[in-house]
Amino acid sequence: QSVLTQPPSVSGAPGQRVTISCAGSNSNIGAGYDVHWYQQLPGTVPKLLIYENTNRPSGVPDRFSASKSATSASLAIAGLQAEDEADYYCHSYDKTLSAYVFGGGTKLTVL
Amino acid sequence: QVQLVESGGGVVQPGGSLRLSCAASGFSFSAYGMHWVRQAPGKGLEWVASLSYDGNNKFYADSVRGRFTISRDNFKNTMYLQMNNLRTEDTALYYCVKREGRPNNRYFDYWGQGALVTVSS
Repeated sequence: QSVLTQPPSVSGAPGQRVTISCAGSNSNIGAGYDVHWYQQLPGTVPKLLIYENTNRPSGVPDRFSASKSATSASLAIAGLQAEDEADYYCHSYDKTLSAYVFGGGTKLTVL
Repeated sequence: QVQLVESGGGVVQPGGSLRLSCAASGFSFSAYGMHWVRQAPGKGLEWVASLSYDGNNKFYADSVRGRFTISRDNFKNTMYLQMNNLRTEDTALYYCVKREGRPNNRYFDYWGQGALVTVSS
């Protein structure tokens, strides 16, 4: 059971917008710690997608955006493309565990 | 460009030991803290351990504390993970990861290709 809770899967048709939620608690996201997001394409290494809640590294399309509020965060992908099909992970710090924690991952399927 | 290359993975029996290495290049290694993150087959990501830029501050996940030791050699631009008393549940792909960001708000901007550790009798 992951400390950060993500839906196991989401799906959408090309061109649509999907969101992936990441639910935490007052020990992590709610305590003010930043949330970061990673994309793992099939058979590849995780890649930083969003850092410090809302920032995109250079090279990440602006179709990807994220937000944070209270004890949760969400990743939005607009204008879905086939190459967006991947696993997505949220990541933060937990002060009770004194550890970095990941969500369980969400598999995005582009229909 | 930043490169992180892991080595030292393999197959080991339960209770055995392995040492992973991570050779870094393309950035000022001695200025950055580093982490190990693992991924069991078909599973999600799990943070394992972290190490400050100078090697003086080390942190571990509860699942490995007391069995794993993280270290670094800044002259060799290399980080290590000594894994003792290995368990079947330690079977995973171990990623060497460079960190960025503020204390307790770190994020992982570069990942190695991973070293596969299989613990099996």
